[in-house]
Amino acid sequence: KNEVEQSPQNLTAQEGEFITINCSYSVGISALHWLQQHPGGGIVSLFMLSSGKKKHGRLIATINIQEKHSSLHITASHPRDSAVYICGVDSNYQLIWGAGTKLIIKP
Amino acid sequence: DAEITQSPRHKITETGRQVTLACHQTWNHNNMFWYRQDLGHGLRLIHYSYGVQDTNKGEVSDGYSVSRSNTEDLPLTLESAASSQTSVYFCASSGDVNTGELFFGEGSRLTVL
Repeated sequence: KNEVEQSPQNLTAQEGEFITINCSYSVGISALHWLQQHPGGGIVSLFMLSSGKKKHGRLIATINIQEKHSSLHITASHPRDSAVYICGVDSNYQLIWGAGTKLIIKP
Repeated sequence: DAEITQSPRHKITETGRQVTLACHQTWNHNNMFWYRQDLGHGLRLIHYSYGVQDTNKGEVSDGYSVSRSNTEDLPLTLESAASSQTSVYFCASSGDVNTGELFFGEGSRLTVL
């Protein structure tokens, strides 16, 4: 079983929809990261959080340490949000990454 | 502006050749990482460094080596390239391994024929 699991693997939605991507992990962590990778490959760090919630524009990330679960939400989704979203955790000075969620937003 | 750059961005080589991928960051970060990314897999850690003269093996280190002679650079060397090492390679850096934001290079696409 992978230590970091993301769901869904693929998600297609219409522009304007509210999007939720989930990340569950099975190890103790000091922090959790969300990354965005657009087609063409560049990777950008969206959030790093260890508790509670963070918001940046239309993106919101939450984490529940007790349940070992994090969610990434996108409000008022737009085609430019189409990307792969990757969750990763800091555990014992190691970074462990999920396989990613491929999001497609149709106009 | 501080940045992290990789070179070359694209490389085609032959089996058995030595290849070095460069990674240079101007964030003055202590922590640097090399990942490979393949279809069906997430980011897999090859090697990492927490400071000058410090290097550590990741989960897929066989066939790769790194050296850290200064803060800015962590070159990745494939001693004898194999077709299984065809992949996209990403370098990343962070100021603090537990709480620091990660910054990624643009990636280097390596094809081994």
